[in-house]
Amino acid sequence: EAQVTQNPRYLITVTGKKLTVTCSQNMNHEYMSWYRQDPGLGLRQIYYSMNVEVTDKGDVPEGYKVSRKEKRNFPLILESPSPNQTSLYFCASSLGLASLSEQYFGPGTRLTVT
Amino acid sequence: KNQVEQSPQSLIILEGKNCTLQCNYTVSPFSNLRWYKQDTGRGPVSLTIMTFSENTKSNGRYTATLDADTKQSSLHITASQLSDSASYICVVSAPPSGAGSYQLTFGKGTKLSVIP
Repeated sequence: EAQVTQNPRYLITVTGKKLTVTCSQNMNHEYMSWYRQDPGLGLRQIYYSMNVEVTDKGDVPEGYKVSRKEKRNFPLILESPSPNQTSLYFCASSLGLASLSEQYFGPGTRLTVT
Repeated sequence: KNQVEQSPQSLIILEGKNCTLQCNYTVSPFSNLRWYKQDTGRGPVSLTIMTFSENTKSNGRYTATLDADTKQSSLHITASQLSDSASYICVVSAPPSGAGSYQLTFGKGTKLSVIP
């Protein structure tokens, strides 16, 4: 089954404790992206990757890191989480972002930083 | 600045009724417009993708329209069901400038509640 998986689905952590949220897709997609979703603000892009070893900042990259060492995986790293990073996070992938490439979203990771 | 505005913010309708959600955008140049359905706590799922040359596109009981001249789109839901309760997100894609990626601008969504 074609899918985007994220782990963990739920995470409660404390300020400053480094964490990684994993994202994996099994569709051989080139384009992957991370979003955060906050009430009243909608989805905002954090980072995206157009292919292996190619990453770029989205609209809200501060406080986050990513890497793309393999095509299927695109982990999101919070080196020193802060309470303002409490949010619902989504990973997404698509064949590309060409005109009609459909974007597939993962199930989401709900992060709480206390 | 590219923007996507959706209205209404929220909507409550009775099961079986029709409804229309609106999306206005200022994104230019324009590549395509997408509507997503997002169930509470889950990832968005694509409903339709429309290019500038398409006026109407249907997916079952969902029909999207696009007027690229006025930069407006609508999503019409026919004979609503309880399972239609979700947020509906409009996303507009702009082609890349230079060697960059296509840029996606997300609306904040319309929260639809269908009640028995």
